[in-house]
Amino acid sequence: QSALTQPPSASGSPGQSVSISCTGTSSDIGTYDYVSWYQHHPGKAPKLMIYEVTKRPSGVPDRFSGSKSGNTASLTVSGLQAEDEADYYCTSYVRSNNIVIFGGGTKLTVL
Amino acid sequence: QVQVVESGGGVVQPGTSLRLSCTAYGFTIRNYGMQWVRQAPGKGLEWVALIWSDGSKINYADSVRGRFTISRDKSINTLYLQMNSLRAEDTAVYYCARDLSFGSHEYWGQGTQVTVSS
Repeated sequence: QSALTQPPSASGSPGQSVSISCTGTSSDIGTYDYVSWYQHHPGKAPKLMIYEVTKRPSGVPDRFSGSKSGNTASLTVSGLQAEDEADYYCTSYVRSNNIVIFGGGTKLTVL
Repeated sequence: QVQVVESGGGVVQPGTSLRLSCTAYGFTIRNYGMQWVRQAPGKGLEWVALIWSDGSKINYADSVRGRFTISRDKSINTLYLQMNSLRAEDTAVYYCARDLSFGSHEYWGQGTQVTVSS
């Protein structure tokens, strides 16, 4: 199974909104609503930000939102803050094969 | 407080074995799906293996299938990753994580470093 495709970088100024895309295929994102997004600050444990495409775990600000259209999922960060600067990864759980596919990661820079 | 703590990493030679442990605190591992994920130097996160809460399903990434084995000891609330025939490309920080739902990992440890080098 190939990795999901993410842009290597994204950026925005404080207060702005930025969206990060995650493109898969009809066999993964296109079929299953098991898309998750993680925030990863280097040297720290990754943090789950979105699961099942649109759901936020407890404690995650509502500035973070997820969506999906066809084979592409997106993470939108609204009202950018300096602490949002991190690497972001999408994943898709492919239930038919019982595997998890990661995207290559997107480095988000807050200008 | 829910927490997972990895241990067992180290520096080993190619072709040798290593067993990683992930001890769970604040929850019972038999009630949750668990996963191993790794990050090689300068690379992104890579899924390694998973085990369902009831243990009925286990699976591995193609890169480790046949060499790595995920297991758990419910009596001591610990998840394991037995790694055999290690290669240089297995060098990474290895994380264990507890699932929130299918494929979503809610609680992560701080990771344990595995270096495979001659």
